[in-house]
Amino acid sequence: QKEVEQNSGPLSVPEGAIASLNCTYSDRGSQSFFWYRQYSGKSPELIMSIYSNGDKEDGRFTAQLNKASQYVSLLIRDSQPSDSATYLCAVSIAGGGADGLTFGKGTHLIIQP
Amino acid sequence: DTGVSQNPRHKITKRGQNVTFRCDPISEHNRLYWYRQTLGQGPEFLTYFQNEAQLEKSRLLSDRFSAERPKGSFSTLEIQRTEQGDSAMYLCASSLISTYGYTFGSGTRLTVV
Repeated sequence: QKEVEQNSGPLSVPEGAIASLNCTYSDRGSQSFFWYRQYSGKSPELIMSIYSNGDKEDGRFTAQLNKASQYVSLLIRDSQPSDSATYLCAVSIAGGGADGLTFGKGTHLIIQP
Repeated sequence: DTGVSQNPRHKITKRGQNVTFRCDPISEHNRLYWYRQTLGQGPEFLTYFQNEAQLEKSRLLSDRFSAERPKGSFSTLEIQRTEQGDSAMYLCASSLISTYGYTFGSGTRLTVV
């Protein structure tokens, strides 16, 4: 059974600091990894995808993947109050997320002004 | 509006009644997904379509649930004989086969009383 584990938080980070969000997954066949941001009462919004080991940077966001350790992380630099949300990690076996994604429960991030 | 559209936004129904939700994906997207999300949980995959073909169904999708995408455009999700445990946010998402990650609609919040 595919499982994705995240610390539910809340994770409190001062404004301007780096927020570090972590995720582990159980299925070694997983090939595609995604981070979604979800504001309270809203639907998830894709912010990052990563498919190979290493780092991938997009603006203030960096996704890190270590398939050997079955570990994915998301770093948010220069955290802003608007980054306060729940961050969902999702994994897929098929390349490109063509089949259904398995989501973690999410980490609630609070950026303190 | 080029996003994923879901109707209705909210639905309150009595236990035992049937309900139907509609999803209109982004027009050029040929993959359409249904997820269910309850409070404090990540979205749970229910089913997906490529064009009009339903390619995968989760074991979560009991025989009271049925989904269709008759012309490969919009999709409907019907729940028969609703139960209180069906209360959740039902999310629709769409994507192109060749792209990665997908776009969620705003969801339909179902409350069974």
